[in-house]
Amino acid sequence: GNSVTQMEGPVTLSEEAFLTINCTYTATGYPSLFWYVQYPGEGLQLLLKATKADDKGSNKGFEATYRKETTSFHLEKGSVQVSDSAVYFCALTLDAGGTSYGKLTFGQGTILTVHP
Amino acid sequence: KAGVTQTPRYLIKTRGQQVTLSCSPISGHRSVSWYQQTPGQGLQFLFEYFSETQRNKGNFPGRFSGRQFSNSRSEMNVSTLELGDSALYLCASSLGQGWTEAFFGQGTRLTVV
Repeated sequence: GNSVTQMEGPVTLSEEAFLTINCTYTATGYPSLFWYVQYPGEGLQLLLKATKADDKGSNKGFEATYRKETTSFHLEKGSVQVSDSAVYFCALTLDAGGTSYGKLTFGQGTILTVHP
Repeated sequence: KAGVTQTPRYLIKTRGQQVTLSCSPISGHRSVSWYQQTPGQGLQFLFEYFSETQRNKGNFPGRFSGRQFSNSRSEMNVSTLELGDSALYLCASSLGQGWTEAFFGQGTRLTVV
């Protein structure tokens, strides 16, 4: 089946530090890949996405590159801020007009805390 | 425009009871998906509805059911509640044709005592 594995958390960083959250996946077919962020007390927000190999998704200083050869989609940010403290989820879907309607498969989530 | 609205936000129920949760999607969105979020199992897909039809279903027992109305609003029902059903239930809406971004509501926090 399809699955997503994220690095164990929590991750604690000082402001302006470099962030990497690792994500690898297993999928039958060619998935689209996503990073979602969940702030306390809120639902999930799409942070970035990539729909094919070598695509780079980017948003708000975060980046992730779809690496088919290593089945990875690691999230990076060059300089984190306190406001980036949240839970980050890597996810995939095989829905592209296919049969995985609405189904996102998520990793376990990584809690990020950024201190001033 | 208004986001995805889930009601109620918090709910406490007794084991053995049943519960109904509601989700109003973004205007114009025809697909609604439901997820269960727990500390132990993370985010798990329950089911997805599009134009009042269930198109996809996750691996949950039959106690979990849902439906979608002609205005795209959706409800999910859990019967014979168990302690393990305590979770944050999230719904997401999207246009539903091919893959388009899914927008999540804030969730309903269900506690079973």
